[in-house]
Amino acid sequence: DQQVKQNSPSLSVQEGRISILNCDYTNSMFDYFLWYKKYPAEGPTFLISISSIKDKNEDGRFTVFLNKSAKHLSLHIVPSQPGDSAVYFCAASAITGTYKYIFGTGTRLKVLA
Amino acid sequence: DTGVSQDPRHKITKRGQNVTFRCDPISEHNRLYWYRQTLGQGPEFLTYFQNEAQLEKSRLLSDRFSAERPKGSFSTLEIQRTEQGDSAMYLCATTPGQGPETQYFGPGTRLLVL
Repeated sequence: DQQVKQNSPSLSVQEGRISILNCDYTNSMFDYFLWYKKYPAEGPTFLISISSIKDKNEDGRFTVFLNKSAKHLSLHIVPSQPGDSAVYFCAASAITGTYKYIFGTGTRLKVLA
Repeated sequence: DTGVSQDPRHKITKRGQNVTFRCDPISEHNRLYWYRQTLGQGPEFLTYFQNEAQLEKSRLLSDRFSAERPKGSFSTLEIQRTEQGDSAMYLCATTPGQGPETQYFGPGTRLLVL
């Protein structure tokens, strides 16, 4: 039972354009969401998070949007840079639960110069 | 470096051998998590500790796996009688332990069972 889904295994974007990575979840108890970036042979690096009391959170070039009714979140990267090429994971947790984080399967982003 | 550290970074072992991995958390981080990641998958939750107490274990964690966190500081993950299916990246992550928070990951230990 995949509670957090990233349906696009890969995405290619031209440098300078917007990258949009999507994530869907099924558990309505999830109320805290995070995005991580992962390079090969390294642990995931935190990018940005959002609580369910918000529908948008920005940090520099990164913006996360949350649509609770659709159980959908997205990560926008503007402008995309070649250094953004990595695998991106979304993760979800239930505040009232055990603080366990469930990860999606990841989307490999390639930013073309 | 005050981040999460893991040792060793790589481990090659023969099937049937026991292996032990260590994770040193960020100072004063009370919660510590172990994950396993295989190719093409996201990190899969294995277990987590609040200080020295192990509060949850995944069904993925067979009885060959055991984790400890004595004194609530570093943690060890031991796999007994390793199998080829245990080959994966084992990740450790920690948080301060005050509600929903960002998890900070270590670099991982890559295990290859021959």
